[in-house]
Amino acid sequence: DTEVTQTPKHLVMGMTNKKSLKCEQHMGHRAMYWYKQKAKKPPELMFVYSYEKLSINESVPSRFSPECPNSSLLNLHLHALQPEDSALYLCASSQERGSSYSNQPQHFGDGTRLSIL
Amino acid sequence: KQEVTQIPAALSVPEGENLVLNCSFTDSAIYNLQWFRQDPGKGLTSLLLIQSSQREQTSGRLNASLDKSSGRSTLYIAASQPGDSATYLCAVQAAGNKLTFGGGTRVLVKP
Repeated sequence: DTEVTQTPKHLVMGMTNKKSLKCEQHMGHRAMYWYKQKAKKPPELMFVYSYEKLSINESVPSRFSPECPNSSLLNLHLHALQPEDSALYLCASSQERGSSYSNQPQHFGDGTRLSIL
Repeated sequence: KQEVTQIPAALSVPEGENLVLNCSFTDSAIYNLQWFRQDPGKGLTSLLLIQSSQREQTSGRLNASLDKSSGRSTLYIAASQPGDSATYLCAVQAAGNKLTFGGGTRVLVKP
């Protein structure tokens, strides 16, 4: 069991659907992340939230819309996705000390496996 | 742009042998280097984090070294067990809280 919980574990959706991925942590971490991982590839950073504010967007298409409603929750809203968006979506969190990110490990959830039909 | 490389891409050893996994990175301006384990269909489990000022970290059968000036880290796993079979990823953290991952090494420990 991980301390970062992601739901759902699996999601199949059509290209016209709207769905959301959810991530929750109760470790008091103030930095939260979304990663995308294709099969047999390393994770690629999508978004970073710091103190509930978006701090990094790695030029992700607007069909992916992140939201951080409070310090424990992170959502990823999906709309009009393409088949190439099929992947494992990982959420992570880490502690922060003011502006110092330096030496806090990131804790990952088990991911949501997304399939776009 | 930071690039992280892991060699070999795959490794198969008999149970009991020591494992040596290599990671190299191109930009030495890092805050830390982390080693993760990933089982099939699962998320990443943090194994060790080495701060940029440190030379090594140890946890049980795991030992990781860091040579920042040469851009290299090595993960040693002593007396491997079948349960160590997984993909091992290294990642470097630079400014902005961003992790850059290597491609991973897939490890198979045969009983």
